[in-house]
Amino acid sequence: AQSVAQPEDQVNVAEGNPLTVKCTYSVSGNPYLFWYVQYPNRGLQFLLKYITGDNLVKGSYGFEAEFNKSQTSFHLKKPSALVSDSALYFCAVRDYDQTGANNLFFGTGTRLTVIP
Amino acid sequence: DAGVTQSPTHLIKTRGQQVTLRCSPKSGHDTVSWYQQALGQGPQFIFQYYEEEERQRGNFPDRFSGHQFPNYSSELNVNALLLGDSALYLCASSRQGRRNTGELFFGEGSRLTVL
Repeated sequence: AQSVAQPEDQVNVAEGNPLTVKCTYSVSGNPYLFWYVQYPNRGLQFLLKYITGDNLVKGSYGFEAEFNKSQTSFHLKKPSALVSDSALYFCAVRDYDQTGANNLFFGTGTRLTVIP
Repeated sequence: DAGVTQSPTHLIKTRGQQVTLRCSPKSGHDTVSWYQQALGQGPQFIFQYYEEEERQRGNFPDRFSGHQFPNYSSELNVNALLLGDSALYLCASSRQGRRNTGELFFGEGSRLTVL
C-alpha cells in the first residue's frame, strides 16, 4: 500500500526566511506525489505534483518541491516565507488498484506558522 | 468555470439521525471522491464514484453510503450518526482516462457536527 509521512506537526519560520516542510513516502512502483494547502475552514488547494521528470517541481505561490528517490522524500520548499503562507500543508501519494480507480492518500499534515 | 461545489456548508445533527451531503464536480470531471477530515487530522478516503458506481472504498462502515447521478453529481449519506462522525466532509473531483495523473480538485467542504 502507498503511504506518506509528515514527521513535523508544526513548523515555525520567520518572514523572509526559507521554509521547508518535510514528507517521506512509501510506494510500490513509481510514485505520484502531491502537495496541498488548507486554510482555516476551507477545502484543500493543489500546490504542485511530481509525476516524472525533473526532481525539482515548481508550483503555485512560489512553492517548489524536491523529489529524492534515494531518500524517498518529497519536501516542500519556498525561498522566502510570507505571513500569508501560514496554513496547514498536506503531502499526498496516489493510491490506485487493479480496477483503475485511484485516490490520494494524505499525510497527517504540518501546520506552518510564519512569524512577522 | 465552476469548481467543485458542496452543500450544505454547515449542519448540526443529533446522534442516531441521518444526513445527506451533496457535491457537484468541476466542469468536465466525471469522478467524485469523498473524504472525511476530523479535527486536526488529514483527510481520510471514504469512497469514489465513477459511472454511477462505487469504484473504490476506504475503511468506513456501511453506515456511509453514496450515490452518483447521470450528471456526475454525488451524494454522501451517513446513517445512525455517532458523535465521532463530526468532521469536515470533503468532495473531490477528477477525470478518468489516460491523462489523469491523480490530481484531485476539492470543494470547500461540509462541516458536520453531531450532538
